[in-house]
Amino acid sequence: KQEVTQIPAALSVPEGENLVLNCSFTDSAIYNLQWFRQDPGKGLTSLLLIQSSQREQTSGRLNASLDKSSGRSTLYIAASQPGDSATYLCAVSTSGGSYIPTFGRGTSLIVHP
Amino acid sequence: DVKVTQSSRYLVKRTGEKVFLECVQDMDHENMFWYRQDPGLGLRLIYFSYDVKMKEKGDIPEGYSVSREKKERFSLILESASTNQTSMYLCASSFMSYPLKYGYTFGSGTRLTVV
Repeated sequence: KQEVTQIPAALSVPEGENLVLNCSFTDSAIYNLQWFRQDPGKGLTSLLLIQSSQREQTSGRLNASLDKSSGRSTLYIAASQPGDSATYLCAVSTSGGSYIPTFGRGTSLIVHP
Repeated sequence: DVKVTQSSRYLVKRTGEKVFLECVQDMDHENMFWYRQDPGLGLRLIYFSYDVKMKEKGDIPEGYSVSREKKERFSLILESASTNQTSMYLCASSFMSYPLKYGYTFGSGTRLTVV
């Protein structure tokens, strides 16, 4: 059964820092990996989707990479801003799970001015 | 943009009431899902559906049922609400053929409180 771990669970940084959020998974036979953002009391907003054949995806200040062999994905946020404060979740879809994603517990990020 | 709409943002119900949570998507997605999210436990899958009138149990189906009479609408039903069902409920949808390419889209969530 796929297990997804996100480290760190919480992170507090000053504005302007570049930062990396980590997501690791136990079963490397994945189909895709999706990063989401969740603001307090709200739903999940998709940030980036990486298919298994891809190594990375970029959107604005966000870059997500995927290394299936090591079971890892990283979400890189450049020049962080207070508006980036949120919880970031990764979700992994595998063949054994009928494509239903397995979620990590998330990283709670605070960017202070 | 794909939209997944949950009918209520906040809901307060009494113990023993029958509760309906509604979810509608507008992009002709075949797959629809209901999750609940609790602090320290993350997202847990309650039920999902691959097609009209079709449903599959997720990890925590006890105390819940679902209905999918139309492709765009997936309802979660709490037959007799209990306080341990107080939670954030999230609906999601995806294509059946291309979830790998397009991923999953979530609604804005319903915060249910059972008193």
